[in-house]
Amino acid sequence: KAGVTQTPRYLIKTRGQQVTLSCSPISGHRSVSWYQQTPGQGLQFLFEYFSETQRNKGNFPGRFSGRQFSNSRSEMNVSTLELGDSALYLCASSVTGGSNNEQFFGPGTRLTVL
Amino acid sequence: QKEVEQNSGPLSVPEGAIASLNCTYSDRGSQSFFWYRQYSGKSPELIMSIYSNGDKEDGRFTAQLNKASQYVSLLIRDSQPSDSATYLCAVVDTGGFKTIFGAGTRLFVKA
Repeated sequence: KAGVTQTPRYLIKTRGQQVTLSCSPISGHRSVSWYQQTPGQGLQFLFEYFSETQRNKGNFPGRFSGRQFSNSRSEMNVSTLELGDSALYLCASSVTGGSNNEQFFGPGTRLTVL
Repeated sequence: QKEVEQNSGPLSVPEGAIASLNCTYSDRGSQSFFWYRQYSGKSPELIMSIYSNGDKEDGRFTAQLNKASQYVSLLIRDSQPSDSATYLCAVVDTGGFKTIFGAGTRLFVKA
């Protein structure tokens, strides 16, 4: 079974631009979560989607948004990029999410904001 | 107080020893707990999940949970150099749809 895929793997943007990251979950997984990982803050929860519905959101500004499509693929968008948005963005999928949330991570998208 | 706390380490153990990694959490309603391993430059991979008080063993790994003390631990027996990585403790919050990760403990296993 194919794992979680994320595109693109690397991205360089300048301040003020916006970016869209994509995640394809493991086949049969309907829950997708997004995380931001930085050396200083570790893994920070961004949001979780299930059946095209956002069920929870982390403490990030409204510039961070996401969506999920009917095939469970998910995208996240960051508008008006800031230098501090430079990070590794990880997507993780699980069968249903919730309490039994054994997640499988994609390789991540490394975003650099100049 | 951080929601999930781990000793950042580094924890250094000799090959063949037992490595003990600890984690405390603040949400008393949490019911689901996980350990992930992350090698440098790679994404986290799931090692263990535990939902009930007590011990859960899987090969060289044993997860321990004490909900009353809000404490989760991971023991790695017969540690190998290939176990050298950062170990992340993860807790699902009471609401059930948000997983909170600790900052991770760096483990070094010396050959």
